[in-house]
Amino acid sequence: DPKIIQKPKYLVAVTGSEKILICEQYLGHNAMYWYRQSAKKPLEFMFSYSYQKLMDNQTASSRFQPQSSKKNHLDLQITALKPDDSATYFCASSQGQYYAEQFFGPGTRLTVL
Amino acid sequence: EQQVQQSPASLVLQEAENAELQCSFSIFTNQVQWFYQRPGGRLVSLLYNPSGTKQSGRLTSTTVIKERRSSLHISSSQITDSGTYLCATMSNYNVLYFGSGTKLTVEP
Repeated sequence: DPKIIQKPKYLVAVTGSEKILICEQYLGHNAMYWYRQSAKKPLEFMFSYSYQKLMDNQTASSRFQPQSSKKNHLDLQITALKPDDSATYFCASSQGQYYAEQFFGPGTRLTVL
Repeated sequence: EQQVQQSPASLVLQEAENAELQCSFSIFTNQVQWFYQRPGGRLVSLLYNPSGTKQSGRLTSTTVIKERRSSLHISSSQITDSGTYLCATMSNYNVLYFGSGTKLTVEP
């Protein structure tokens, strides 16, 4: 019974297109995050939200836009896709936004052709 | 420069041997979280350790914050322990900074 759901599991897109990655958590947490794992690179932080408000953004590009329609949702919209955006995108959540253990979803593997 | 360093990069053990994985970090943190990443990608939280020693089953994490290091000890390794172990340090605002991982292979 997965507590953090990410959809889709795999995604193939063409350069220049736009995609939305879905994340829902059923842990009752109030903070959610996005991380990215590219080939040969460590996992890197992208965004954090607490009570549906942006807390931190370490993504240089405005092509990446998180969207939080509900407390337990944090989607990631990516526009003008590039091949370098190919990576696995992980959603995570925690109870509290300060020094709280984080739990990760299964990831969405994005390939941009 | 990578803020979190893990060693060794890879490790091969015979079943039942013990493993010691190391993590050092250049940034100040109050928390270290260890993860297991399955071949397939999913991250599983193993231990969340602010400081000192914490144990969960065959796993023991020891973190010395002032020395900016943490270690993960796996006792009596099993074939199913094979995978990548990730160390992550946590900033004030709950941002995790990850190392590159230690790839563990346990052979029969």
